[in-house]
Amino acid sequence: DAKTTQPPSMDCAEGRAANLPCNHSTISGNEYVYWYRQIHSQGPQYIIHGLKNNETNEMASLIITEDRKSSTLILPHATLRDTAVYYCIVMMGQGGSEKLVFGKGMKLTVNP
Amino acid sequence: EAGVVQSPRYKIIEKKQPVAFWCNPISGHNTLYWYLQNLGQGPELLIRYENEEAVDDSQLPKDRFSAERLKGVDSTLKIQPAELGDSAVYLCASSINKGPQFFGPGTRLTVL
Repeated sequence: DAKTTQPPSMDCAEGRAANLPCNHSTISGNEYVYWYRQIHSQGPQYIIHGLKNNETNEMASLIITEDRKSSTLILPHATLRDTAVYYCIVMMGQGGSEKLVFGKGMKLTVNP
Repeated sequence: EAGVVQSPRYKIIEKKQPVAFWCNPISGHNTLYWYLQNLGQGPELLIRYENEEAVDDSQLPKDRFSAERLKGVDSTLKIQPAELGDSAVYLCASSINKGPQFFGPGTRLTVL
């Protein structure tokens, strides 16, 4: 079973920041938080991952609370192409040797 | 950098027929994964390879499914015989040195 909880859906206005929450209250000390998204009819796309510190890349920022029980994925300027199902996943190690356990994810709809 | 390549993208077959899917991972990626995604669900791992060795095939239905990764590069997933319930998207992913997994576009299988 997935170890994360996400709201089923969220709407965001184009050009605004999209803040996607995720709860992972049972996360262990050596588990990373990964975010993927899946646009309709495409394979999942890696976005970002982190352990303790906040992370930022060209796609998004990941904010992890100090107790690591929750995190927020931030898309700073959402576009229509960001409409997708977003998956928050916790996984041991750096991720390459473990299977990704996908939950139901959260459908983000970016509106014009 | 080329991504994960899968073929075919779509396949329609009649039940009891055999079918094969091919995956070419990102160059240099030593770990290869096959996932199954049913409609409306997140992907589920079928098998994971470290180089040419299958290190996790616990979720692969071995009575009808088989996979191989010759020379530790390309991989083939086969179903023989296919059943109606096998209709799904079959996703291939790869990673290097325990880094994030990168997915291909998937093969959508329809069994009639």
